[in-house]
Amino acid sequence: GENVEQHPSTLSVQEGDSAVIKCTYSDSASNYFPWYKQELGKRPQLIIDIRSNVGEKKDQRIAVTLNKTAKHFSLHITETQPEDSAVYFCAATPSGGYQKVTFGTGTKLQVIP
Amino acid sequence: EAQVTQNPRYLITVTGKKLTVTCSQNMNHEYMSWYRQDPGLGLRQIYYSMNVEVTDKGDVPEGYKVSRKEKRNFPLILESPSPNQTSLYFCASSPSHSRTEAFFGQGTRLTVV
Repeated sequence: GENVEQHPSTLSVQEGDSAVIKCTYSDSASNYFPWYKQELGKRPQLIIDIRSNVGEKKDQRIAVTLNKTAKHFSLHITETQPEDSAVYFCAATPSGGYQKVTFGTGTKLQVIP
Repeated sequence: EAQVTQNPRYLITVTGKKLTVTCSQNMNHEYMSWYRQDPGLGLRQIYYSMNVEVTDKGDVPEGYKVSRKEKRNFPLILESPSPNQTSLYFCASSPSHSRTEAFFGQGTRLTVV
């Protein structure tokens, strides 16, 4: 089955700096890669996603890049703000939907004011 | 309001006492899933359902059962709970078309003593 590795497990950055979270996957059939943000005590919520025929996608301060050959994808947050502090999860699905989905182990991001 | 509702939010039970965690969605979604969230392990899929009467195992199905008799409901059943099933559980639903968001419930904190 699919295996998704996520690094780092914790990340501290100064407000205004950039943050990068990296994930690798094992199943070459995976073709959809969402990222979820989970604030303390709350449910995960989708922040950005990318599909396998796209190399990069951007939404304001958040961007995701995908390297299919190397089987890795990354989340980039620029100009970080304290409200970006949360746990971020990457995920990979082989079907493009949420039938069988494998999540990474999560990255706890702390933005220091 | 579109939502996924889980009950109960918190539950403390004893080893071996059967319990059911309910999940209901009002968005007419075809897909529904159960996840458990443990520190350092991220979100792991327990079971998923692609439609009524169609269910399949995720990555960690041992000790759990599910049923999908109606489109809106997807209960999680622990026939004989054990302490290693102490965890935070999330139900999620999504439409069947690909590359879309999974909507998570608010979570159920289960403690088995």
